[in-house]
Amino acid sequence: DAEITQSPRHKITETGRQVTLACHQTWNHNNMFWYRQDLGHGLRLIHYSYGVQDTNKGEVSDGYSVSRSNTEDLPLTLESAASSQTSVYFCASSVDRSYEQYFGPGTRLTVT
Amino acid sequence: DQQVKQNSPSLSVQEGRISILNCDYTNSMFDYFLWYKKYPAEGPTFLISISSIKDKNEDGRFTVFLNKSAKHLSLHIVPSQPGDSAVYFCAAKSQGAGTALIFGKGTTLSVSS
Repeated sequence: DAEITQSPRHKITETGRQVTLACHQTWNHNNMFWYRQDLGHGLRLIHYSYGVQDTNKGEVSDGYSVSRSNTEDLPLTLESAASSQTSVYFCASSVDRSYEQYFGPGTRLTVT
Repeated sequence: DQQVKQNSPSLSVQEGRISILNCDYTNSMFDYFLWYKKYPAEGPTFLISISSIKDKNEDGRFTVFLNKSAKHLSLHIVPSQPGDSAVYFCAAKSQGAGTALIFGKGTTLSVSS
């Protein structure tokens, strides 16, 4: 079955380290998104991509970067992790011209 | 400033009764709205959606109503079941802004048996 996966599911890292969260989907969706979920804030868009080599900044993009070298993957990199980036991160994808997004199971990141 | 607002952080309902979850928005360019359900330790799952050209969309026990003049939408669940207990997110898409969504903060629904 087609699916969207995230790895790792849990990660603890230290302030200042570079961290990369993986997102992989097998639906062949062109659109991919990264969100973070925090208490009191709901889901906030970090970065998104509408296809290979395309990336766009979302509402809370500072301190994060993404790259899209193929259709299946959109890794999220925290260049220098900060405690404020402790959160649950969700990756999502959607087919062209559809607004319905399919979410992965999430990665819980703790920055100490 | 929040463009999608879910002003009730939580809602408690008895099994078999109606659950009504509310969502307000401020951006008049929003032309499509979605509801997602999220269980603990899982990703959100799509529930139901509505285009701005409609005022109602129904799918089984779930109905979404849209009042464009009031910039308000609501999700009705009838009858409510214990398995409906989850966090519900309202989301909106802006006209001309691709397919990126803006989410509300969510409402936690608890259905007791």
